[in-house]
Amino acid sequence: EVQLMESGGGFVQPGGSLRLSCAASGLTFSSYAMNWVRQAPGKGLEWVSHISGAGGTTYYADSVKGRFTISRDNSKNTVYLQMNSLRAEDTAIYYCAKIDTTVRYFEYWGQGTLVTVSS
Amino acid sequence: QSVLTQPPSVSAAPGQKVTISCSGGSSNIGINYVSWYQQLPGTAPQLFIYDNTKRPSGIPDRFSGSKSGTSATLGITGLQTGDEADYYCGTWDNSLSAWVFGGGTKLTVL
Repeated sequence: EVQLMESGGGFVQPGGSLRLSCAASGLTFSSYAMNWVRQAPGKGLEWVSHISGAGGTTYYADSVKGRFTISRDNSKNTVYLQMNSLRAEDTAIYYCAKIDTTVRYFEYWGQGTLVTVSS
Repeated sequence: QSVLTQPPSVSAAPGQKVTISCSGGSSNIGINYVSWYQQLPGTAPQLFIYDNTKRPSGIPDRFSGSKSGTSATLGITGLQTGDEADYYCGTWDNSLSAWVFGGGTKLTVL
């Protein structure tokens, strides 16, 4: 059974940094692209970032480009999201999601970790 | 403003049928597969439809998906109170090099 467990969320002031982690189990981790998707309170889903299985290809939403960095350690079955220069509008639940083999849909989702940016 | 457009809400009585539309463009739905996700209150999203029409194991056949041109539709028959949730469509956008979602549709079973 595939399991994704996010951690690292919390309260941070505007301009601060935070690193999220997503530990995966039940899969050959390096074979799959991974993504971060966020959801602001009471709002819809917003895709944040994508990283390929080997880590060589990354994509970012325009709203986070230049501030967030996605990475992965396949030896630890973990994907990270380094978030810098945080803004109030980054406040959201951040979900880790596994992409299917064909890279056509989000097959599994973690339970999410809450990031609150406020002074 | 979401790249994919969904109605904010739909409603129907138990046992009835409902459809949820998802409208996009030539760089996303027009050339890529659409997936649908159900999000129950307070929980993470769950894959419900993939590759436009396919259901993952465990998803009842009351749920169906279709796609035509730059639009996709999620259909739910035999509505149950347990189907009350937010539903999101999603796909890849080649022009944006980004995954895009619809704004979500809240289903109410009256």
